[in-house]
Amino acid sequence: DTAVSQTPKYLVTQMGNDKSIKCEQNLGHDTMYWYKQDSKKFLKIMFSYNNKELIINETVPNRFSPKSPDKAHLNLHINSLELGDSAVYFCASSTGGGYQETQYFGPGTRLLVL
Amino acid sequence: GQNIDQPTEMTATEGAIVQINCTYQTSGFNGLFWYQQHAGEAPTFLSYNVLDGLEEKGRFSSFLSRSKGYSYLLLKELQMKDSASYLCAVRSRGSNYQLIWGAGTKLIIKP
Repeated sequence: DTAVSQTPKYLVTQMGNDKSIKCEQNLGHDTMYWYKQDSKKFLKIMFSYNNKELIINETVPNRFSPKSPDKAHLNLHINSLELGDSAVYFCASSTGGGYQETQYFGPGTRLLVL
Repeated sequence: GQNIDQPTEMTATEGAIVQINCTYQTSGFNGLFWYQQHAGEAPTFLSYNVLDGLEEKGRFSSFLSRSKGYSYLLLKELQMKDSASYLCAVRSRGSNYQLIWGAGTKLIIKP
């Protein structure tokens, strides 16, 4: 019954490693997002993906690459992890059909880079 | 630039009323959202305003003044479970459905 799910919930890894976070939504939404929430609690949009159109936030390093095998999935792959990548990463989805549409968030992935 | 300001932290007493303010400066405006985020959990939707005025939803109400770039979230009959962060987010013009988020206001409820 989970609307937006993410795996893993916790991820502890060494600097320089490559890791992936998976996201799935069963709401039938057309738009999915990846957010980074840092220690100061700012939610920063990283990517949004709407009907096969990927919109990239230019401030995101190219070590981060989103991959969407289909409308219900938007995964995030991170190469060469750095200490500053430690944060909570939230996946979200919305209908993408208008300005009022609500974003539904996954439970978050807590990434710690050592 | 685009900016959203909220107080960092507020404290209130159980049963009381609290108002959390949000001011914004964005390139165009297509709606303002309030989300609630309990510690260690995901944000959840509370309210949406696009026209000036007050939207009431149970114990929570949200107000918008577009001319002033200002909104507030009003929480009545506070309960301990209302202890959470409250995030203000604005959808600006041409934003491809993306939201600009404030840092959130951490609300602490005391007995």
